[in-house]
Amino acid sequence: QKEVEQDPGPLSVPEGAIVSLNCTYSNSAFQYFMWYRQYSRKGPELLMYTYSSGNKEDGRFTAQVDKSSKYISLFIRDSQPSDSATYLCAPVGDSGYALNFGKGTSLLVTP
Amino acid sequence: DVKVTQSSRYLVKRTGEKVFLECVQDMDHENMFWYRQDPGLGLRLIYFSYDVKMKEKGDIPEGYSVSREKKERFSLILESASTNQTSMYLCASRDGGRSSQPQHFGDGTRLSIL
Repeated sequence: QKEVEQDPGPLSVPEGAIVSLNCTYSNSAFQYFMWYRQYSRKGPELLMYTYSSGNKEDGRFTAQVDKSSKYISLFIRDSQPSDSATYLCAPVGDSGYALNFGKGTSLLVTP
Repeated sequence: DVKVTQSSRYLVKRTGEKVFLECVQDMDHENMFWYRQDPGLGLRLIYFSYDVKMKEKGDIPEGYSVSREKKERFSLILESASTNQTSMYLCASRDGGRSSQPQHFGDGTRLSIL
């Protein structure tokens, strides 16, 4: 079983829709949860960073972590065409050096 | 803001050539990383460096080496380029040695080996 799983998509939604992007992981040692956004021909940029279970909100974005289910979600409200990108989840533990990236979900928001 | 700069956005080389990819960060970060990104495979760690002159192999180090002579600069070297090394290469840096700290990425070098 891979450590981090994401549905690759592509996910296509109309502008204004609520988007739910999901990620599962297998390592119970993961404590920190990051979401990166990657536009075409660009490097990933940090979008959200959370620690422990629960919700974290930042503008139109909400990151949700359920450690008991090893399930993390990113919700985008009032989605915009500028949200079209690939979203990568990266849960990580407190030891070691590397992040554990999912393969990413491609999102397309159509006007 | 952290700035990670990769020297080339696009690069075309021939098989057998020795290829150098350069990365510079401006935030005095201790850790630096090289990844490659391929469709369907995601980001895979090639090498990372936790300090000057220190390096560790990642998941796919075969065919690559790295150099870190100065804190701000991390170089990836393809000793003898092969077509299966055609990929997007991404450099990242991070402050401190904890995996819980976010990584900051450059915009990548798209390398084609002919």
